[in-house]
Amino acid sequence: SYELTQPPSVSVSPGQTARITCSGDALPKQYAYWYQQKPGQAPVLVIYKDSERPSGIPERFSGSSSGTTVTLTISGVQAEDEADYYCQSADSSGPWVFGGGTKLTVL
Amino acid sequence: EVQLVESGGGLVQPGGSLRLSCAASGFTFSSYWMSWVRQAPGKGLEWVANIKQDGSEKYYVDSVKGRFTISRDNAKNSLYLQMNSLRAEDTAVYYCAREGSLGFDPWGQGTLVTVSS
Repeated sequence: SYELTQPPSVSVSPGQTARITCSGDALPKQYAYWYQQKPGQAPVLVIYKDSERPSGIPERFSGSSSGTTVTLTISGVQAEDEADYYCQSADSSGPWVFGGGTKLTVL
Repeated sequence: EVQLVESGGGLVQPGGSLRLSCAASGFTFSSYWMSWVRQAPGKGLEWVANIKQDGSEKYYVDSVKGRFTISRDNAKNSLYLQMNSLRAEDTAVYYCAREGSLGFDPWGQGTLVTVSS
């Protein structure tokens, strides 16, 4: 079955740049989406179609794609950005898959 | 305001059944694919199933095929998940989510299903 691979954890100091990667063989052909989830809350969409930002999401959140890897970048990280982040995509056979999640810690 | 509200979770014994509901409001429910996503305690997100606007296409993750059934009632703006032959590993918070060109947005607040004797 198709898998998306994320690092389990990323740590940065406030004001620095956090980069969270997601790797999958079908990513060159399928869009990726990113979700933020804080403890006890439902996930919230922060990036869609690899690099588009929904309204209401701060400009410090951005996305990019290169080959089989997509990257969520958070510039000027703030304490409120501490959360779990999940990538999502699909393979050629259809249904959705989520990455294992990355815990972002703001030091 | 676009809103999704799940209900129907609870404690059920292994082998039992449960039916989850998701009430949609604030958008034209019949125009969207809808999905169920679950999250086991302390674990990541797992997509479970989705259904086309008119209910004519349904897809499931392998682990629930033959046990879970997704359905919808567009007249009632409601999404359902019938869960049979429940196992301990089905214990999770179950979210419904609207699918669109922007991805899954929004999500409901989730309903907890606990499978235990």
